[in-house]
Amino acid sequence: QSVLTQPPSVSAAPGQKVTISCSGSSSNIGNNYVSWYQQLPGKAPKLLIYDNNRRPSGIPDRFSGSKSGTSATLGITGLQTGDEADYYCGTWDSSLSVYVFGTGTKVTV
Amino acid sequence: QVQLQESGPGLVKPSETLSLTCAVSGGSISSYSWSWIRQPAGKGLEWIGRVYTSGSTNYNPSLKSRVTMSLDTSKNQISLKVSSVIAADTAVYYCARHITGYNRGGFYNWFDPWGQGTLVTVSS
Repeated sequence: QSVLTQPPSVSAAPGQKVTISCSGSSSNIGNNYVSWYQQLPGKAPKLLIYDNNRRPSGIPDRFSGSKSGTSATLGITGLQTGDEADYYCGTWDSSLSVYVFGTGTKVTV
Repeated sequence: QVQLQESGPGLVKPSETLSLTCAVSGGSISSYSWSWIRQPAGKGLEWIGRVYTSGSTNYNPSLKSRVTMSLDTSKNQISLKVSSVIAADTAVYYCARHITGYNRGGFYNWFDPWGQGTLVTVSS
């Protein structure tokens, strides 16, 4: 049972925007940095966002991250069919001493 | 750039030990921490644990008593062993470079890059 809750699915038309929420608590998101991962069908996860809102080299600025209190949000603008994937948030949980992933969100374009 | 490749038996019998290796190319394993993460079919990601450059480890409490991770610097590989496996250990297992630290904003952790993953099935 994950301690980080995400919506099971979100969808939007090509070119539109979606946001994915990740809800946690003070022992995880509230006091630690959040990262986000994209998992295309049949592929390994790929880092999209780290340190709440920073993008690794090569990740387009259509992807953005933010954090407020005990929740984090991933935004994807200008949706493309290639963005159809599962998206996971993750962070350290200081009480459990474990890295925790969110429940995952399937994006449909 | 750093690349990772997992390998090991695809089928393990119940109660036996699952053994995987992660070969790292393009960089030294002595420079970073490394984690193992698994994903049962159709389900989410679960962090198994990490091994630091010193060889010290940090495991998920849910698996701690059955997991062992280590570094082989001579081969530039990371290993994972899970003992007394059961059907619920059936999953795709990934290794990943684990960037970790702490500053005034809290703990920062992220995984990049990841290996392609290897499927391990526990069945008699």
